[in-house]
Parts: sequence; C-alpha cells; structure tokens
Amino acid sequence: EIVLTQSPGTLSLSPGERATLSCRASQSVSNNYLSWNQQKPGQAPRLLIYAASTRAAGIPDRFSGSGSGTDFTLTISRLEPEDFAVYYCQQYVSSPPAWTFGQGTKVEIK
Amino acid sequence: EVELVESGGGLVKPGGSLRLSCVASGFTFSSYSMNWVRQAPGKGLEWVSSISGDSIYIYYGDSVKGRFTISRDNAKNSLYLQMNSLRAEDTAMYYCARHYDDKFTYNIWGQGTMVTVSS
Repeated sequence: EIVLTQSPGTLSLSPGERATLSCRASQSVSNNYLSWNQQKPGQAPRLLIYAASTRAAGIPDRFSGSGSGTDFTLTISRLEPEDFAVYYCQQYVSSPPAWTFGQGTKVEIK
Repeated sequence: EVELVESGGGLVKPGGSLRLSCVASGFTFSSYSMNWVRQAPGKGLEWVSSISGDSIYIYYGDSVKGRFTISRDNAKNSLYLQMNSLRAEDTAMYYCARHYDDKFTYNIWGQGTMVTVSS
C-alpha cells in the first residue's frame, strides 16, 4: 500500500505570500496518477491539479503542481483570501484499482 | 449544469443498515465511472468504492469490503451505496464523485450526505 504524507500539517501565511505544500509517497507514483484537491469548510472537495501538474478547468494560474517519483509539490504563488483552505493530494493505484489521499495541509491566515 | 445530489444519510445504530443515493444530472451518466468517498468529522478523505459505467468493474476499500455494496441504475441516473453491519467508525460525510474521463481522479463532487452510527 502506497502512503501519501503531506507536510506541513498547517501553514500559517498572509495574503499575497507564496505557499509551498509537499506530498511525499512511500513508493514511486506515476505522474499521471497524482492530483491535488482543495476543500473549504462545509464544502465538498474541488479538483485543482491532475497528472501532477495540469490545472483543472477554471483553476487560476497562481496554482501550480510539480514533482515526480515520490515527491510532489503544490505551489500557490500569491495567496488570495479565498485560498485559505485544506489541500489534499490524491493518488491512484492500478492493481487492484484504489485511490488514497494524503492527510491534508491546512493553509490558514497568519 | 453538471450536478450530483446525495441523499439517504441519517442516524443508525451499530449493526444497522442504510442505503445512500446519488442522483446525477447534466451529463451522460452511463458514460462515467462513479465513486463514493467519505470524510469522518474533522478528518481527511477516504475512498470507499468505485463502479464503472456499465457496472462490470467494482472495487472497494479494505475498511468496507464485505459490508458495503455499490450499484447504479443508469436509466435513473442514480448511484447507490448499500451499507450493512455499520460501525461507529463509519460515521462520516459521504460524497459521490464522478471520474474525470481518463485522468485517474474526480472532477465533479456532490455536497455529501451525513451518516452517523451511534447507539
């Protein structure tokens, strides 16, 4: 079983600052199988990034994904007030098919 | 507008059963694999189950295997989750989510339905 570990658990930043979120896998993950989701309180998750680095439709370009193998990063270049939320990385495993999520990183207002 | 609306949650005693439903609109339901994902209060996301558009391929997470059954009715644009032998640890918000084409993730989520297992 591949485990995703996100760090830090909480990131305290001010609007306009840069946020760098890490997702580390216990085994190598195909880039095609790694995605990032945003979740605000009381809301369902929303897809931000798929295939490690491709923004989903309607996602602003201040969000970017990078990485390969076991280390992946979500970067928010300049935090907007609406970006304060919890972010989850997600991976797909093909045999047998299953999906797992990291434990989440909360980006909070400093 | 593409939409998923879940229902069927509620309070149930340990050992009891519950059936969740998810009604889809705005897209050709039969063309997409669908999933259930849950989130315990204050916790992270956990994948529960997945079903292909033609119901041929069905998969479950280890924590629900043998107790939960996923199904769908394409004529009714509906996804279901039959939950038996419920435990306190099954308490969670249950979301249905649509596969994003061949992207190995989900791009459409419902708003969820809450299941509470307690005596």
